[in-house]
Amino acid sequence: GEDVEQSLFLSVREGDSSVINCTYTDSSSTYLYWYKQEPGAGLQLLTYIFSNMDMKQDQRLTVLLNKKDKHLSLRIADTQTGDSAIYFCADRSNTGKLIFGQGTTLQVKP
Amino acid sequence: GAVVSQHPSWVICKSGTSVKIECRSLDFQATTMFWYRQFPKQSLMLMATSNEGSKATYEQGVEKDKFLINHASLTLSTLTVTSAHPEDSSFYICSAIPQPGLAGAGELFFGEGSRLTVL
Repeated sequence: GEDVEQSLFLSVREGDSSVINCTYTDSSSTYLYWYKQEPGAGLQLLTYIFSNMDMKQDQRLTVLLNKKDKHLSLRIADTQTGDSAIYFCADRSNTGKLIFGQGTTLQVKP
Repeated sequence: GAVVSQHPSWVICKSGTSVKIECRSLDFQATTMFWYRQFPKQSLMLMATSNEGSKATYEQGVEKDKFLINHASLTLSTLTVTSAHPEDSSFYICSAIPQPGLAGAGELFFGEGSRLTVL
């Protein structure tokens, strides 16, 4: 079946850029998403990219998609302590289902 | 942005009782909603796809008689955990896709989640 993989942990210093990587296997992917989850809370949609695009920028967030390699990344510029959270990459197939990665815990040190 | 609301946000119940969780799309109509389950420090696992006016489609390994899903209207889906046991304790999250043709067709919105604790 479809699979989405992420690294589990990333630590950066405040003000640096963070890059969270994700790979997926689904060939029928339509959209790819990045969600943020803070402790005890639900999911917050950060951004998403249509599978035919290769880049999307939204303020401090830049999403890069390499469809050939099935690789997705999320870059957060000028990372702040408030960005500390778990970030989930998700692949949406043509059936509408989302398959989530394991989540990457981002730790931002002051 | 579009809002998906879940109720209750936290419920504690005794073993053997049934618990109903509601998922509502507040400002858009959703023909399809999804129910996910998340264990502590783990990712979200898709349980079932809820389609308005028809039976839900369950993922492999999910007991449909245990987790009853009803999608009676374009804005409401319910998940009922029947005869709950401690191993059913989890964080349950729903998501909804706006109807085709509405703004934000690529967007998929999540509720705030419902934390179930079964004693």
